[in-house]
Amino acid sequence: SQKIEQNSEALNIQEGKTATLTCNYTNYSPAYLQWYRQDPGRGPVFLLLIRENEKEKRKERLKVTFDTTLKQSLFHITASQPADSATYLCALDIGGGYQKVTFGIGTKLQVIP
Amino acid sequence: GAVVSQHPSWVICKSGTSVKIECRSLDFQATTMFWYRQFPKQSLMLMATSNEGSKATYEQGVEKDKFLINHASLTLSTLTVTSAHPEDSSFYICSARGRGNSPLHFGNGTRLTVT
Repeated sequence: SQKIEQNSEALNIQEGKTATLTCNYTNYSPAYLQWYRQDPGRGPVFLLLIRENEKEKRKERLKVTFDTTLKQSLFHITASQPADSATYLCALDIGGGYQKVTFGIGTKLQVIP
Repeated sequence: GAVVSQHPSWVICKSGTSVKIECRSLDFQATTMFWYRQFPKQSLMLMATSNEGSKATYEQGVEKDKFLINHASLTLSTLTVTSAHPEDSSFYICSARGRGNSPLHFGNGTRLTVT
């Protein structure tokens, strides 16, 4: 089965710096990979989707890369702000007729003012 | 757009009772909805896939008779936790997907506490 590895330890970063979060997966490469943000006691919120034939995707201060050779995705937040503090989840499709998605444990990001 | 409303946001019930959680897609039609459970400091665990007009598909290890799912329309899916026990206490989250490979849109979750 597909296994997703995210650094479950919290990542502390100074405001204004670039935060980089890592998502590694085993087994087959998914057709696409997604990143979500989750705040405490809330449901995840979709941020970015990147397809297997895309190397990089950007949205405002966010950037995602997808390396199917390394089986890794990197998620970057540039010019980080305290409001970016949250848990960030990596998600991969796991096939099946209804396009099921499996999630990593998430990395908690803390941006320090 | 793409708002998913989940209700209630929290519920406390006594052991042995049943609890129903509703998940509605407010501005789009969701042929498929997913139900997840999340324990503290753990990832979202998919419980079942809910399809409009048909029976839900449950993940391995999830008891279908305990977690009853009904997807009566393209905008509503319900999860009923039957004969709840304290170990069922968790954060339950639904999500819905539009057509194609669109991303998942999540409700804000339901915190269930069984006493």
